[in-house]
Amino acid sequence: SQTIHQWPATLVQPVGSPLSLECTVEGTSNPNLYWYRQAAGRGLQLLFYSVGIGQISSEVPQNLSASRPQDRQFILSSKKLLLSDSGFYLCAWSVRERFSGNTIYFGEGSWLTVV
Amino acid sequence: AQSVTQPDIHITVSEGASLELRCNYSYGATPYLFWYVQSPGQGLQLLLKYFSGDTLVQGIKGFEAEFKRSQSSFNLRKPSVHWSDAAEYFCAVNGNTGGFKTIFGAGTRLFVKA
Repeated sequence: SQTIHQWPATLVQPVGSPLSLECTVEGTSNPNLYWYRQAAGRGLQLLFYSVGIGQISSEVPQNLSASRPQDRQFILSSKKLLLSDSGFYLCAWSVRERFSGNTIYFGEGSWLTVV
Repeated sequence: AQSVTQPDIHITVSEGASLELRCNYSYGATPYLFWYVQSPGQGLQLLLKYFSGDTLVQGIKGFEAEFKRSQSSFNLRKPSVHWSDAAEYFCAVNGNTGGFKTIFGAGTRLFVKA
C-alpha cells in the first residue's frame, strides 16, 4: 500500500532563517506531488505541484520554493522565512492517471511557527 | 469559475443525533467529488469519493454522501454521530481530465456535545 511521510512534524524558526520541509511517498511510482498550506482557521491553499522530477508549478507568488530531486521526494524550502510563512504545511500525492479523479492523499502535516 | 461552497462554518450536534454537512459545487465538466476529514493538528483523511454510478456513496467511519446533479450538491451524512467525529470536514471537486486543480471548500467544523 502507499504511504506518505513528511518531516519535521513541528518546528519553530526565527524570521530570516532558512526552511526545509521534506516529503516522501512509498508504494507508488510517478505520483503527482503537492504542497498545501493551511493558515490557522482557514482552508487549503495549493502552493506547488509537480508531475515529475524537476517539474514544479507554482500556484501563488511567495517566499517559498519547491524541488523534486527524486521521483517520490518533494521538498519545500525558503531562504529567508517571514512571519507570514507560519502555518500548517501539508504534502500530498495523487495517482497520475486520466479519469482517476485525481484522488489526493495527504501526509501528516508540519506545523511551522516563525518567530 | 470552479468553486466549492460549504455554507456552514461550524455545526454542533448532540452525540447520537444525525448529521448532514452541506456542500455545493460549481464545475463546468463532470465532477469528481470528495469528502475529507481533518482532526486537529493532523492531515486530511479521505472519507469517500464519487466518480460515477450510484449517486449514494458509502465511505469510512459510517459516513455516506449523496450526489445530486440537479442541485449541484454533495452532502455528507451520518445517522448517528459519535464524539470522535468532532473534526473539520472538507468537500472537494476535481474533473475527469486528470487535471491537478482540486478545489477545496473552506471546511465545516463539527462540534459534538454529550
